[in-house]
Amino acid sequence: GENVEQHPSTLSVQEGDSAVIKCTYSDSASNYFPWYKQELGKGPQLIIDIRSNVGEKKDQRIAVTLNKTAKHFSLHITETQPEDSAVYFCAASAFISNFGNEKLTFGTGTRLTIIP
Amino acid sequence: NAGVTQTPKFQVLKTGQSMTLQCAQDMNHNSMYWYRQDPGMGLRLIYYSASEGTTDKGEVPNGYNVSRLNKREFSLRLESAAPSQTSVYFCASGLADTQYFGPGTRLTVL
Repeated sequence: GENVEQHPSTLSVQEGDSAVIKCTYSDSASNYFPWYKQELGKGPQLIIDIRSNVGEKKDQRIAVTLNKTAKHFSLHITETQPEDSAVYFCAASAFISNFGNEKLTFGTGTRLTIIP
Repeated sequence: NAGVTQTPKFQVLKTGQSMTLQCAQDMNHNSMYWYRQDPGMGLRLIYYSASEGTTDKGEVPNGYNVSRLNKREFSLRLESAAPSQTSVYFCASGLADTQYFGPGTRLTVL
């Protein structure tokens, strides 16, 4: 099955600086790569995703890049703010049935702390 | 539109007790999922349901059962709770490949 590794496990950056979180995956059939943000005491929330036919996607201060040849993808947060402090999870999946259902395999998470 | 709701929010059980975690979604999604979250291990899939009337095992199904009661509701049952099942449980629902998570149930088994 799919295996997703995520690094680093913790990351501290000064407010206003950039943060980068990296993930690698093992299954070459994976074609969907979402990123989730989890605040304390809450469920994960989808913040951005990318599909295998795209190399980069941006949404305001957040961007995700994908290198299918190397099987890795990264989350980039620019101009970080205190509200960016949270745990971030990457995930990967491929279609598993005719229903279009996809099982997500998650990385182990990165705790991001923004230092004011 | 409440999204995905879960009950209860917190629960303490003794070893051997049983309980059912409830999940409901109001987004008309076909797919629903149950995950557990443990420190340093991310989210692991317990069971999922691609559509009403179908359920399949995920990565860590042992000790759990599920019921897809209707399109809205997907419950997770622990028949005989064990300390190893102490965790935070998340339900999610999905449209195609995008999943939306509930707020979670924090379960402690003594």
